[in-house]
Amino acid sequence: EVQLVESGGGLVQPGGSLRLSCAASGFTFSSYEMNWVRQAPGKGLEWVSYISSSGSTIYYADSVKGRFTISRDNAKNSLYLQMNSLRAEDTAVYYCAREITIFGVALDYWGQGTLVTVSS
Amino acid sequence: QSVLTQPPSASGTPGQRVTISCSGSSSNIGSNTVNWYQQLPGTAPKLLIYSNNQRPSGVPDRFSGSKSGTSASLAISGLQSEDEADYYCAAWDDSLCWVFGGGTKLTVL
Repeated sequence: EVQLVESGGGLVQPGGSLRLSCAASGFTFSSYEMNWVRQAPGKGLEWVSYISSSGSTIYYADSVKGRFTISRDNAKNSLYLQMNSLRAEDTAVYYCAREITIFGVALDYWGQGTLVTVSS
Repeated sequence: QSVLTQPPSASGTPGQRVTISCSGSSSNIGSNTVNWYQQLPGTAPKLLIYSNNQRPSGVPDRFSGSKSGTSASLAISGLQSEDEADYYCAAWDDSLCWVFGGGTKLTVL
């Protein structure tokens, strides 16, 4: 069974940093591209970042570029999101999501999410 | 402001057929496949439709998707109370990012 479990969320002051983790199990993690997607309270889904299966290709949303860093450790079946210079507008539930390619691309499995609150 | 445009709300009575639209552009829906997600209150999004019209195993055939040009639709037939949820469309954009619709809140009356 595919499982994605996020951790590392919490309350942080504006300008602070936080590192999110996503532990993957039930599939060959090193074979899949991964993404982070966030959802502000009461709002819709917003894509944050993408990383290829090897980690060699990375993309970011403009809203986080230069502040967030996505990475992965295939030996530990883990995905990470280092978040620096956090702002109030970064407050959201952060989901990690697996990406598949089958007649197109889709985010097929999502974790339960971890809440990040940026407030003084 | 979401890149893909969805109506904020939709509603129907049990047994009815409801459709939700999703409008994009040539760089996303026009050149890539569309996926649909169902998000029940307090839970993570669940893949409902992929590749425009394909259902993952376990998704009832009451749910169907279609795409034409730069628009897509999700149809739910035989509406049930448990279908009450938020629905999102999504597509890869050629500018190298995922884009989502703003979400449609479906109410079963």
